[in-house]
Amino acid sequence: DVKVTQSSRYLVKRTGEKVFLECVQDMDHENMFWYRQDPGLGLRLIYFSYDVKMKEKGDIPEGYSVSREKKERFSLILESASTNQTSMYLCASSPTGTWKVANYGYTFGSGTRLTVV
Amino acid sequence: RKEVEQDPGPFNVPEGATVAFNCTYSNSASQSFFWYRQDCRKEPKLLMSVYSSGNEDGRFTAQLNRASQYISLLIRDSKLSDSATYLCVVNEDLNFGNEKLTFGTGTRLTIIP
Repeated sequence: DVKVTQSSRYLVKRTGEKVFLECVQDMDHENMFWYRQDPGLGLRLIYFSYDVKMKEKGDIPEGYSVSREKKERFSLILESASTNQTSMYLCASSPTGTWKVANYGYTFGSGTRLTVV
Repeated sequence: RKEVEQDPGPFNVPEGATVAFNCTYSNSASQSFFWYRQDCRKEPKLLMSVYSSGNEDGRFTAQLNRASQYISLLIRDSKLSDSATYLCVVNEDLNFGNEKLTFGTGTRLTIIP
């Protein structure tokens, strides 16, 4: 069964810590995405990547960075965690091409619920 | 104005009833549209794509009105298992066939026995 795996389901970190959220996909997808989901705000795109070593800012990149050294792995980094980064983080991947996205959609990981105290 | 707007609900609907959701989008250049379903504490999953001519998948019908920039989802003969949050999603085609999806905040549906 193809899937997107996020390294942790629940994470508690202290303010100021550097936090790494890892995401691995086994579908050989070109595109990978990081979203955060908050009540009343929905899913908001943080960063995305269309290829190894490529990255693009999403709608809310402040306070975050990413790394994509291998095709299957996309890491989200919180340089100095703050309480307003407490959220559910969702990683997703997709193949390239309108037809493929229309028919297969994005595949999401099960999410990491991060609490910053 | 939000890029994708939905009524958050909740919609509480008796089993067997028909329920419809609408969604509006702001970018007239958007090319493709979807409905995703998200169960409580789970990740979103693709429910169906929305085509210009409208499309049906069993009890589910999706329609697109480009002139008015809205998308609809109709669920007939609703089941208890339809209880979920339904996310309206709009695709922005950036370049080289790459896509960027923008999600609405979702409409919460509860089917009542």
